[in-house]
Amino acid sequence: KQEVTQIPAALSVPEGENLVLNCSFTDSAIYNLQWFRQDPGKGLTSLLLIQSSQREQTSGRLNASLDKSSGRSTLYIAASQPGDSATYLCAVVPSGNTGKLIFGQGTTLQVKP
Amino acid sequence: KAGVTQTPRYLIKTRGQQVTLSCSPISGHRSVSWYQQTPGQGLQFLFEYFSETQRNKGNFPGRFSGRQFSNSRSEMNVSTLELGDSALYLCASSLASGWEQYFGPGTRLTVT
Repeated sequence: KQEVTQIPAALSVPEGENLVLNCSFTDSAIYNLQWFRQDPGKGLTSLLLIQSSQREQTSGRLNASLDKSSGRSTLYIAASQPGDSATYLCAVVPSGNTGKLIFGQGTTLQVKP
Repeated sequence: KAGVTQTPRYLIKTRGQQVTLSCSPISGHRSVSWYQQTPGQGLQFLFEYFSETQRNKGNFPGRFSGRQFSNSRSEMNVSTLELGDSALYLCASSLASGWEQYFGPGTRLTVT
């Protein structure tokens, strides 16, 4: 059974700091991995999607990497800003069951001015 | 292009009642998935529809059901509501299974 874990559960950093969020999954048979952002009481905003054959994806100040064999992904946020404060969720799509996202519990990030 | 829309945004129901939630996907998207989000369990997959057919189902009781129409709009129904059904229900659409999923704002259901 695929399980997704995100560490740490919460993180507080000063503005301008570079930071890394971690995501691990137990079964390497994945179709892709997606990172989302969720603001309190809101829906999810897709940040980056990495196909299983890719090693990383970049969008602006965000960079996500994927090491499928070790069951790990990281989301790197450069030069953090207060507007980055949110909960960040990673989710995997299992191979052979591509309509389903399996989520981690998320990392709640606070960026202090 | 308009995003995923969900109606209603908020609902308050009483135990034992039933409820229907609606989701309109992004134009051209044929896959619609539903998720339940609670503080204790996080985000859990309910089901996925593609071309009016349920393709995947999560581990939820039969009280949770759904359907998809020919225009890809989807509805989910929860019968005989329980207090534990209080949650944020999120709908996501994608061009096809396994493609990037885009989420709606959710429907906040409170069962009293």
